[in-house]
Amino acid sequence: DGGITQSPKYLFRKEGQNVTLSCEQNLNHDAMYWYRQDPGQGLRLIYYSQIVNDFQKGDIAEGYSVSREKKESFPLTVTSAQKNPTAFYLCASSPGQGVDEQFFGPGTRLTVL
Amino acid sequence: GQNIDQPTEMTATEGAIVQINCTYQTSGFNGLFWYQQHAGEAPTFLSYNVLDGLEEKGRFSSFLSRSKGYSYLLLKELQMKDSASYLCAVRGAVDSSYKLIFGSGTRLLVRP
Repeated sequence: DGGITQSPKYLFRKEGQNVTLSCEQNLNHDAMYWYRQDPGQGLRLIYYSQIVNDFQKGDIAEGYSVSREKKESFPLTVTSAQKNPTAFYLCASSPGQGVDEQFFGPGTRLTVL
Repeated sequence: GQNIDQPTEMTATEGAIVQINCTYQTSGFNGLFWYQQHAGEAPTFLSYNVLDGLEEKGRFSSFLSRSKGYSYLLLKELQMKDSASYLCAVRGAVDSSYKLIFGSGTRLLVRP
């Protein structure tokens, strides 16, 4: 089955530690995205990538980093510089950067203790 | 600036009709999306409007007026499983790489 996978579903880390969230898609989509969602709020774009080996900052990129070495994979690292990392993180992909809808993964809920 | 407004919460009765409104002010417009999101889950695509008018898809319909910066999602014959958050998202201009800007979502509670 084609889709987007994110693992794990729940992740706990101590303050000051970097943590990497995985996102894999087998839809052959060119574009991939990372969003953050806080309670009662909409999705805010962290980073996006329109093609392999290229990515751009979204609206709230500070304290995060990404890589796009393979078309299928777009991991997100939450660094210790992110002041309030506890949130629900959603990865999405779309066929291209045009008018295509975005397909979302199941999300990872990160809690920093 | 970029702004998308939706009501925070709505309540409706099973079997009824509910309309969820979305108003937007964005720099550039290349379409409006509606997503459904159950608590703790991923958003799923419901509808897409780029031209003015009504798009119907089963029990769900979505309307767009570009001149008014306004859209609504209409849900008919409400079912208990329709209890969820509904997210309005606007696709920006080409110079913003067509990024999606999301509203805060409307939490819909369907009561028996």
